[in-house]
Amino acid sequence: SQLAEENSWALSVHEGESVTVNCSYKTSITALQWYRQKSGKGPAQLILIRSNEREKRNGRLRATLDTSSQSSSLSITATRCEDTAVYFCATGGTGNTGKLIFGLGTTLQVQP
Amino acid sequence: EAAVTQSPRNKVTVTGGNVTLSCRQTNSHNYMYWYRQDTGHGLRLIHYSYGAGNLQIGDVPDGYKATRTTQEDFFLLLELASPSQTSLYFCASSVQGNSDYTFGSGTRLLVI
Repeated sequence: SQLAEENSWALSVHEGESVTVNCSYKTSITALQWYRQKSGKGPAQLILIRSNEREKRNGRLRATLDTSSQSSSLSITATRCEDTAVYFCATGGTGNTGKLIFGLGTTLQVQP
Repeated sequence: EAAVTQSPRNKVTVTGGNVTLSCRQTNSHNYMYWYRQDTGHGLRLIHYSYGAGNLQIGDVPDGYKATRTTQEDFFLLLELASPSQTSLYFCASSVQGNSDYTFGSGTRLLVI
């Protein structure tokens, strides 16, 4: 079973709309990360949010973390076609073992 | 710019063949990782390393060996390749566990 899981397999929006990808995780964590993978590329980190943070922003991206419900969300505002990608949440629990475990990903399609 | 370079980009081998996937990072990162990515399974950790000469077993290590010869170079070895190892392989590096990962562009392996 996954340590972290996104809650939707796929989402589709039109350009300019906002969208939120949700993630739930199963253990105490030190931090949670969001990654994006575009077609033919490796994943690229978007945001790292630590357990003592409730919100983190990076341009049009906003991540939230709720440790009481063990959930996180990644919101994208004013979506663009180039936001089309697979979005993953990932966490390594509370240790520093280096074992970052990824969710299965949510495929986001942004249509013109 | 920090980079992780994988080679080859594509590889075809026969069942029982011997394959080596290469990864080099110029990030001066301590940690390096090998993941495989398959539809329905997401990214799964095969092996990882804390530094030159160190090797840690990941979550799906069977059929794979790895070697970290220098801080920069991490190799994944398939000594008796099987069709079940057909996959997209990613190498990544990070400063430490639970920090942001830098991924390579991937190696697509087909075992026939």
